[in-house]
Amino acid sequence: AQKITQTQPGMFVQEKEAVTLDCTYDTSDQSYGLFWYKQPSSGEMIFLIYQGSYDEQNATEGRYSLNFQKARKSANLVISASQLGDSAMYFCAMREGLQHDYKLSFGAGTTVTVRA
Amino acid sequence: GAGVSQTPSNKVTEKGKYVELRCDPISGHTALYWYRQSLGQGPEFLIYFQGTGAADDSGLPNDRFFAVRPEGSVSTLKIQRTERGDSAVYLCASSLGGLASDTQYFGPGTRLTVL
Repeated sequence: AQKITQTQPGMFVQEKEAVTLDCTYDTSDQSYGLFWYKQPSSGEMIFLIYQGSYDEQNATEGRYSLNFQKARKSANLVISASQLGDSAMYFCAMREGLQHDYKLSFGAGTTVTVRA
Repeated sequence: GAGVSQTPSNKVTEKGKYVELRCDPISGHTALYWYRQSLGQGPEFLIYFQGTGAADDSGLPNDRFFAVRPEGSVSTLKIQRTERGDSAVYLCASSLGGLASDTQYFGPGTRLTVL
């Protein structure tokens, strides 16, 4: 079964506007972590933001925020005030079983194109 | 400080050949991971090292794939008798280890092309 689902293969956003990237996950663990990574055309995976399953507050990092809805098992990424440099592939990932330093399961990704 | 480095950045080989891909993690990171990313897809886990030992190799597709980390730092992913289906970007990541919020930091990847 797919652990991470990203249903938007591609999105266009106008510069300076906000964009929301969807991510739903599937786990039976009570403890897990959710991550978002950015992959520009250069190929390197860049860590953006983390949300732990027990965190009560939504995570924020600069222009990135994570809309965490535990009951719905969703962890959407919001990018505010989009910039041309935000054009990239974005991946949602999950780590289950926080007792162990462990593997990430990734979604298929969403391509974001920022228009001037 | 220096990030995760991987060499070579590109590797072209012929079907049936042997290849080695190298990963140099961030200094002090005890955990090291290998992932494989096919075109248009998210990375898929291959193997995880904690120190020198492979703690989880459940993602290795078959026995042609093997990885080592003899001194707990640099790791080498080895692929024997390469096949065209092995063509992908091989990503290495490292992390401090031991924390619930532990973040994996990725290298630039090695693009492997099997002709």
